[in-house]
Amino acid sequence: AQTVTQSQPEMSVQEAETVTLSCTYDTSESDYYLFWYKQPPSRQMILVIRQEAYKQQNATENRFSVNFQKAAKSFSLKISDSQLGDAAMYFCAYSPAWSGGSEKLVFGKGTKLTVNP
Amino acid sequence: GAGVSQSPRYKVAKRGQDVALRCDPISGHVSLFWYQQALGQGPEFLTYFQNEAQLDKSGLPSDRFFAERPEGSVSTLKIQRTQQEDSAVYLCASSLRQPDTQYFGPGTRLTVL
Repeated sequence: AQTVTQSQPEMSVQEAETVTLSCTYDTSESDYYLFWYKQPPSRQMILVIRQEAYKQQNATENRFSVNFQKAAKSFSLKISDSQLGDAAMYFCAYSPAWSGGSEKLVFGKGTKLTVNP
Repeated sequence: GAGVSQSPRYKVAKRGQDVALRCDPISGHVSLFWYQQALGQGPEFLTYFQNEAQLDKSGLPSDRFFAERPEGSVSTLKIQRTQQEDSAVYLCASSLRQPDTQYFGPGTRLTVL
């Protein structure tokens, strides 16, 4: 079974600084997707960034970028120029590209990010 | 367009009561998922629909949990004879097709007293 591990329960960063959130996963599949979702106190799970395993290039979305190391099964999220609105729980998630049924998401336990003014 | 909506946002039930939680996916989205999120944890998969067909219900914790999507759009998650351990946030997500990005609703927080 696939597993996702987030080893940092909490992280903090100063406004305008850069922070990196860690994620490792375990799978025997060769093709899959990885995601970072943000969940603020309102509970709405918001997609931050997505990476297809077959793509060697790391995904980037504005201030958010990932470091995808397929051999090491590592998928970290870098947030640049942190803003107060970035404060939230961040979840790393895995989905198989095709399982013949449901491509359900497997989530890590999350990292709580605090942004200090 | 409108995102995924869920109702009610909050539900308090006495132990033993039945509850029904509703999910309205994004219009045209074929796939619909239900997840359960315990306090301080990541969401865990409950069940999956492709249109009206329930293709995976491997995550449903007991036979007290039942989900349906009769017309391939709105879905209802029903929990019979609720127990305290059912207290959690129930999240619904939809995607245009599989595999694809899942878009989440705001969740229903269920508290069983």
